[in-house]
Amino acid sequence: AQSVTQLGSHVSVSEGALVLLRCNYSSSVPPYLFWYVQYPNQGLQLLLKYTSAATLVKGINGFEAEFKKSETSFHLTKPSAHMSDAAEYFCAVSSSSNTGKLIFGQGTTLQVKP
Amino acid sequence: EPEVTQTPSHQVTQMGQEVILRCVPISNHLYFYWYRQILGQKVEFLVSFYNNEISEKSEIFDDQFSVERPDGSNFTLKIRSTKLEDSAMYFCASGVDRGDQETQYFGPGTRLLVL
Repeated sequence: AQSVTQLGSHVSVSEGALVLLRCNYSSSVPPYLFWYVQYPNQGLQLLLKYTSAATLVKGINGFEAEFKKSETSFHLTKPSAHMSDAAEYFCAVSSSSNTGKLIFGQGTTLQVKP
Repeated sequence: EPEVTQTPSHQVTQMGQEVILRCVPISNHLYFYWYRQILGQKVEFLVSFYNNEISEKSEIFDDQFSVERPDGSNFTLKIRSTKLEDSAMYFCASGVDRGDQETQYFGPGTRLLVL
């Protein structure tokens, strides 16, 4: 069965600093992996997704993630944090079932300090 | 840009009451999902719906839950007799294809509080 683990429920960075949000997955089949962001009082918005085309995936708002099979990781990064990046971030893997349901990690709250 | 909408945004109900959470998926989407997030916990899959029938449901989705697409636009989640532990944020999602093929688009959620 697939699962996702996000290391660190809260991450705090200074504005302009590197953002690194960690995600490790477990999957018996080649996974499709996703990062979603949730701003306060809003729904989940797709940041980026990995579907085996390229290991380095670029998303919206300057975020990117690298799929590393050997480490079963899909960490999310951004070179320079903005105050507007403060939100909750969810890593997810699509199920191997034929419905494509998503299996989510616990989420990481990103705080950006001025 | 098309988006998934959900109503109400907040609902407070008494234990044992029935609630219906409503979602309007994006119009050309064919795959529909409900997820929920209990405060402080993971977003959990509840049910997927395709071609007017449930395609998969989780252990959480017991006989107290049902889904319906009554008129080709709305997608509803009904909880027949709410329990305290049903208090959560409920998200609807839709996709033009299965979630492993195409992006699932999420609504803003309905926050349900059962007293």
